[in-house]
Amino acid sequence: LAKTTQPISMDSYEGQEVNITCSHNNIATNDYITWYQQFPSQGPRFIIQGYKTKVTNEVASLFIPADRKSSTLSLPRVSLSDTAVYYCLVNNAGNMLTFGGGTRLMVKP
Amino acid sequence: DSGVTQTPKHLITATGQRVTLRCSPRSGDLSVYWYQQSLDQGLQFLIQYYNGEERAKGNILERFSAQQFPDLHSELNLSSLELGDSALYFCASSVAGRDAVYEQYFGPGTRLTVT
Repeated sequence: LAKTTQPISMDSYEGQEVNITCSHNNIATNDYITWYQQFPSQGPRFIIQGYKTKVTNEVASLFIPADRKSSTLSLPRVSLSDTAVYYCLVNNAGNMLTFGGGTRLMVKP
Repeated sequence: DSGVTQTPKHLITATGQRVTLRCSPRSGDLSVYWYQQSLDQGLQFLIQYYNGEERAKGNILERFSAQQFPDLHSELNLSSLELGDSALYFCASSVAGRDAVYEQYFGPGTRLTVT
């Protein structure tokens, strides 16, 4: 199982861009990198998924370097409602999602 | 709203008892996953079913069992409950089975309190 390491917490201010980096040194060839967002007492919500290079959707961008040993979730112009826990996951065969501790993002006014 | 429903929302019971948690996946999704989230252990994968068959097992205790019915809803049975079983239990669904990487949609969870 590829283990992920990400910062325990981050602080930001409204309107700033937030970058959360995750390391996954032993990622396998067939693994994808997926990010989920979780608000208190709610189920996690899918944000974005990628395999290599860059993926962008309406809420975030995901940057993955060529060696795929790390990835960076970029949230443009965060708002107070982006305060949540963000999980970086490496998808293993069999669809098991292994959630680590996540990064607690606090967005301040 | 993810389209995944879970009942009940809250459950309070005593040690030694047995409870059943229910999950209805999104329309069209064949896979159902169960997760446990407690304060001290984070979000833990328990078990996956795909189209009625068990597909993957995680950190599920022997006191816990699950099944997926022909209409694709799933139930998680927790027996001989202990105080440490108090947690949020999430169900998720996806279209996928094995060897596919698809988004999982999580339900609102069932909060279990064992007293």
